[in-house]
Amino acid sequence: NAGVTQTPKFRILKIGQSMTLQCAQDMNHNYMYWYRQDPGMGLKLIYYSVGAGITDKGEVPNGYNVSRSTTEDFPLRLELAAPSQTSVYFCASSSSLDRAGANVLTFGAGSRLTVL
Amino acid sequence: QKEVEQDPGPLSVPEGAIVSLNCTYSNSAFQYFMWYRQYSRKGPELLMYTYSSGNKEDGRFTAQVDKSSKYISLFIRDSQPSDSATYLCAMSRAGGTSYGKLTFGQGTILTVHP
Repeated sequence: NAGVTQTPKFRILKIGQSMTLQCAQDMNHNYMYWYRQDPGMGLKLIYYSVGAGITDKGEVPNGYNVSRSTTEDFPLRLELAAPSQTSVYFCASSSSLDRAGANVLTFGAGSRLTVL
Repeated sequence: QKEVEQDPGPLSVPEGAIVSLNCTYSNSAFQYFMWYRQYSRKGPELLMYTYSSGNKEDGRFTAQVDKSSKYISLFIRDSQPSDSATYLCAMSRAGGTSYGKLTFGQGTILTVHP
């Protein structure tokens, strides 16, 4: 059981380049999330999805886009990369079976992105 | 003012010590309170989960929530070197659109030395 799988683990981008961070889960979870973690700042929600075809913005969505065409996959797109997007990105998923389950997030191992 | 404040430490204790980790928050709408543990270069993993006020115990770990003071704590008894990690408090509101949308503290770096 793989849980939440993120690729790539590391990436260096030049300013203005674009890329997609991949996220896949095999737990049949309806809810999926993208968080970013900056040193000393905790995690901040970028985008989330409550099911295939449904996405919404979190706290820090600017500069990012998402799509959710299947239950399993939730890619995060960075357009026109900027140094401020240097961060560690975590994908997570949770069950919507009940209120408690929806708050129990399973995180991936993270994707470390540097924009130079 | 941040919605959730957590002392980043770092905190260094000897093996066997009792560790106390704390967070304060300002938003009275928070109803669900969690502690996540994050090892270096890994994703966070859920450690404890409490709804509303009260205490919850799981082995060497005890979580406390005092909503009147807007203060939550995590106690680790008989701390072990394997407990060395970053501990993140997290909270969420009640209501269908809030589930899973967590507000995190900054994280406290804990080192337990033999």
